[in-house]
Amino acid sequence: NAGVTQTPKFQVLKTGQSMTLQCAQDMNHEYMSWYRQDPGMGLRLIHYSVGAGITDQGEVPNGYNVSRSTTEDFPLRLLSAAPSQTSVYFCASTYSGTSGEAFFGQGTRLTVV
Amino acid sequence: AQSVAQPEDQVNVAEGNPLTVKCTYSVSGNPYLFWYVQYPNRGLQFLLKYITGDNLVKGSYGFEAEFNKSQTSFHLKKPSALVSDSALYFCAVRGVNDYKLSFGAGTTVTVRA
Repeated sequence: NAGVTQTPKFQVLKTGQSMTLQCAQDMNHEYMSWYRQDPGMGLRLIHYSVGAGITDQGEVPNGYNVSRSTTEDFPLRLLSAAPSQTSVYFCASTYSGTSGEAFFGQGTRLTVV
Repeated sequence: AQSVAQPEDQVNVAEGNPLTVKCTYSVSGNPYLFWYVQYPNRGLQFLLKYITGDNLVKGSYGFEAEFNKSQTSFHLKKPSALVSDSALYFCAVRGVNDYKLSFGAGTTVTVRA
């Protein structure tokens, strides 16, 4: 049971480049989310999805797009990377409705130069 | 809007001494509360949660937390800390009708031998 898998683990981008961070879960969880972690700021919610075909914005959505075509996958797209998007990104999935704990991937460390 | 405050950036304790990590929250209605731990270069691991019922919640690795509704607090405790407990700890809150999870800024725990 792999849980939540994120790829890549590390990435360096130039300003203006685009890329997709991949997230897949094999637990059949309906709810998935993306967070960014910055020093001293905890984790901030970027986008989330309550099921296939349904997505919504979180606290810091600007500069990021998401889609959810299957239950398993929830990719995060950076359309035009900026240095302010340098961060560690975590994908999470949750079971059992709103009382369930989130399961996190190992993270993607992104540097935009 | 919901929020979490972790008033201490760092907590330092000697091995074998009690460990407390403080957390206060703000949310509309009843809360679901969570504690997570993050080891260096790793994702977040779930420790414990409060959903309803007994205010004292027991979790993984000997950790427990006490829910106090009047003080809107959910402090994490361990009676006897280990060097291996040194890590970054996050408190998180979610409203009972909301999938969005809000995190505190985190508390770095250092346990010295």
